Amino acid sequence: GQNIDQPTEMTATEGAIVQINCTYQTSGFNGLFWYQQHAGEAPTFLSYNVLDGLEEKGRFSSFLSRSKGYSYLLLKELQMKDSASYLCAPMDSNYQLIWGAGTKLIIKP
Amino acid sequence: GAVVSQHPSRVICKSGTSVKIECRSLDFQATTMFWYRQFPKQSLMLMATSNEGSKATYEQGVEKDKFLINHASLTLSTLTVTSAHPEDSSFYICSASNSRDWYEQYFGPGTRLTVT
Repeated sequence: GQNIDQPTEMTATEGAIVQINCTYQTSGFNGLFWYQQHAGEAPTFLSYNVLDGLEEKGRFSSFLSRSKGYSYLLLKELQMKDSASYLCAPMDSNYQLIWGAGTKLIIKP
Repeated sequence: GAVVSQHPSRVICKSGTSVKIECRSLDFQATTMFWYRQFPKQSLMLMATSNEGSKATYEQGVEKDKFLINHASLTLSTLTVTSAHPEDSSFYICSASNSRDWYEQYFGPGTRLTVT
């Protein structure tokens, strides 16, 4: 079957760095997306990795290892507004996104 | 660019009535639109995928006669929840992709449906 494994909840301090890990199993693979979702709102796109390695975009970076079925999202210089759920969503062979429940990130002052 | 809107943002309806939710791509042509449902603290669940001018493809377990999807143009898709029941209360989110960046889905802001 297809599944996503992410921690349910993480807590970090404002100004610090946090890494959210994701392992996945899919039928085929066409890249992996990270989305941010604030409570009561729709997801917003953060990153897309299709090749192995690190993609950096401002305070956010995303890493992918296809052989390990592993990705992480790295958030630097955390701000209070970064409190949200972070969704790891790999795309399977049918180009369908596979969604997990996400990781709820709580930022404390 | 790549803005998707949904209307209404919130709707309350009585059990047994029907509700229509609109999803519009404002600045691009959406060749494919997706409809999701999300219950509190759960993952997004894909309900159906629709291509403009074609019948929607429904996911297993989603009743196509209850959740009517129309993708009549490249900028508009509608989801009608027919004979709504309280268990249909959920957060409904649409997303859209274009032919150029086909792999990326742009999400609408979502519609909170409450059936009383």
